[in-house]
Amino acid sequence: QITLKESGPTLVKPTQTLTLTCTFSGFSLRTSRDSGEGVNWIRQPPGKALQWLAFINRDDVKRFSTSLRSRLAITKDTSKNQVVLTVTNMDPEDTATYFCAHRRSIGTYAYYLDYWGQGILVTVSS
Amino acid sequence: DIVLTQSPATLSLSPGERATLSCRASQSVSNYLAWYQQKPGQAPSLLIYDVSNRATGIPARFSGSGSGTDFTLTISSLEPEDFTVYFCQQRYDWPITFGQGTRLEIK
Repeated sequence: QITLKESGPTLVKPTQTLTLTCTFSGFSLRTSRDSGEGVNWIRQPPGKALQWLAFINRDDVKRFSTSLRSRLAITKDTSKNQVVLTVTNMDPEDTATYFCAHRRSIGTYAYYLDYWGQGILVTVSS
Repeated sequence: DIVLTQSPATLSLSPGERATLSCRASQSVSNYLAWYQQKPGQAPSLLIYDVSNRATGIPARFSGSGSGTDFTLTISSLEPEDFTVYFCQQRYDWPITFGQGTRLEIK
């Protein structure tokens, strides 16, 4: 059974850096036989659409949103089963619920977001 | 980036009616398109993948069709729990992109 859970601050000030952690279970980015298996970050401003942010896989391949690339970083800690997203220079427009989601590249649902965390609402305000 | 445009933004129907939701891509995504359902306060959940395949546990009243740039999610007979928000997503190319969503509301 795959589960994911986001953690981090729920309130940040403008210009600060946001660091969010996705802690997962049910798969491993160290021992997975699926080289494409990985974790995505997606966000959703209140009442608005989903926006994909970043991805990292077992082989440390990373992908980023075109519009936010310069502000994003993603890393993994395989010993802790965690993926960390950092977003620099936070702005009130970055207020959103941030989700992490699992992706596999083998089998059913390959390349889609099949398991999601519950999300964490991050508010940017002074 | 591939832009996905969903229409309509809001669809007002009654239980028992048929719902047709559209997703149009700015370029071909082949058959690499999914639909997600999102209920209030919850994360999205995978509904349909690769255009027309239902995810595990999804009722047969949900179906998907299309190819290339034009896709449709159909709900054959609406149940009360179906009135929520639906997003399409392409995985044909990076970056992953989502449509802006269609809200299905009770008329």
